Amino acid sequence: LAKTTQPISMDSYEGQEVNITCSHNNIATNDYITWYQQFPSQGPRFIIQGYKTKVTNEVASLFIPADRKSSTLSLPRVSLSDTAVYYCLVGGNTGGFKTIFGAGTRLFVKA
Amino acid sequence: DTAVSQTPKYLVTQMGNDKSIKCEQNLGHDTMYWYKQDSKKFLKIMFSYNNKELIINETVPNRFSPKSPDKAHLNLHINSLELGDSAVYFCASSQKRTVGYYGYTFGSGTRLTVV
Repeated sequence: LAKTTQPISMDSYEGQEVNITCSHNNIATNDYITWYQQFPSQGPRFIIQGYKTKVTNEVASLFIPADRKSSTLSLPRVSLSDTAVYYCLVGGNTGGFKTIFGAGTRLFVKA
Repeated sequence: DTAVSQTPKYLVTQMGNDKSIKCEQNLGHDTMYWYKQDSKKFLKIMFSYNNKELIINETVPNRFSPKSPDKAHLNLHINSLELGDSAVYFCASSQKRTVGYYGYTFGSGTRLTVV
């Protein structure tokens, strides 16, 4: 199972772009990289998933270098409501997507 | 419509009791899971069910027993509750892709407090 390492916390201001990097040095060939967002008293919410290069959706972008040993979640123009914990997960095609959540990155957006 | 719904949202009970948490998903997903989030906010997988078959069981005490009557439901029954079982329990589901799985959809959680 690929272990992930993320910064414990980050601070930002409204309107800024935030980049959160995750290290996953022992990622396997079939592993996807997935990011989740969790607010207090709620379940984690899927943000974005990718395998290589760049993926973009209406919420975020995910940058994955060629060696896939790290990934960067990019949140454009954050707002106060983006204050949450962000988890980077790496998992593959084993039945049930055997995945370990790390401690996540606590993002605090200030006015 | 709630995609993954679990009940109850809060559960307070005494040590030694038996309790159940129910989960239902209306997404048509293949696989359902139970996760436990402890006081330090770490999320740990407990069980995974794929088309009603248990495929992961991560060193969980046998006091915990998942039951899946069909692929849309995965219930969690806990016998002889202990203080250390106090946590938030999340149900989740996902759909298999050609390689791997799409991301999880989580329920809103059940906060279990054992007193």
